[in-house]
Amino acid sequence: QQQVKQSPQSLIVQKGGISIINCAYENTAFDYFPWYQQFPGKGPALLIAIRPDVSEKKEGRFTISFNKSAKQFSLHIMDSQPGDSATYFCAGKSGTSYGKLTFGQGTILTVHP
Amino acid sequence: EAQVTQNPRYLITVTGKKLTVTCSQNMNHEYMSWYRQDPGLGLRQIYYSMNVEVTDKGDVPEGYKVSRKEKRNFPLILESPSPNQTSLYFCASSLKSGLAGQETQYFGPGTRLLVL
Repeated sequence: QQQVKQSPQSLIVQKGGISIINCAYENTAFDYFPWYQQFPGKGPALLIAIRPDVSEKKEGRFTISFNKSAKQFSLHIMDSQPGDSATYFCAGKSGTSYGKLTFGQGTILTVHP
Repeated sequence: EAQVTQNPRYLITVTGKKLTVTCSQNMNHEYMSWYRQDPGLGLRQIYYSMNVEVTDKGDVPEGYKVSRKEKRNFPLILESPSPNQTSLYFCASSLKSGLAGQETQYFGPGTRLLVL
């Protein structure tokens, strides 16, 4: 069963627009929520992460919003650029389980110039 | 350069022919994992290892074996590959962060496997 559900599966945005990717989790033991970015032909790389004791984290154009009561979190990419075109994965992790991340299904983002 | 390496990068094989995909990291990381990536299913963990000689099943371990005899190496073994194991495979390594619960996994470049 997929413990982290991610949507949409694909997303097309115009340059300068806002990209929004949503995730929902089931495991209440999760207490660390990273987002990974994957370019074609490469392995995923950590983009930004959040812990549930804060509702929002911002790094440059990338923002995570977190809603603990709804067990949902989302990635917002402001002023989206063609260089942001990639596959994005959300994930959840329990603080006691190092080495074990549970990923969502992934979102293929295409930013048109 | 700190990195995770995988070999081979591409592999075509036939059903039932045993194969091994190697993974090596030079960052002295304690934790290592194997994932498979399939369209619409995302990244699913196959096995992970907490240290030398300590391994555990992930979410999709059937048909795979692993071993961790050295800290830097974590090979993935397919004893009798089947077409449903055709996929893109990633190895990753990580270590405990100073901040409780946080962990960054560093991924290799991937191995694309086709089982005929």
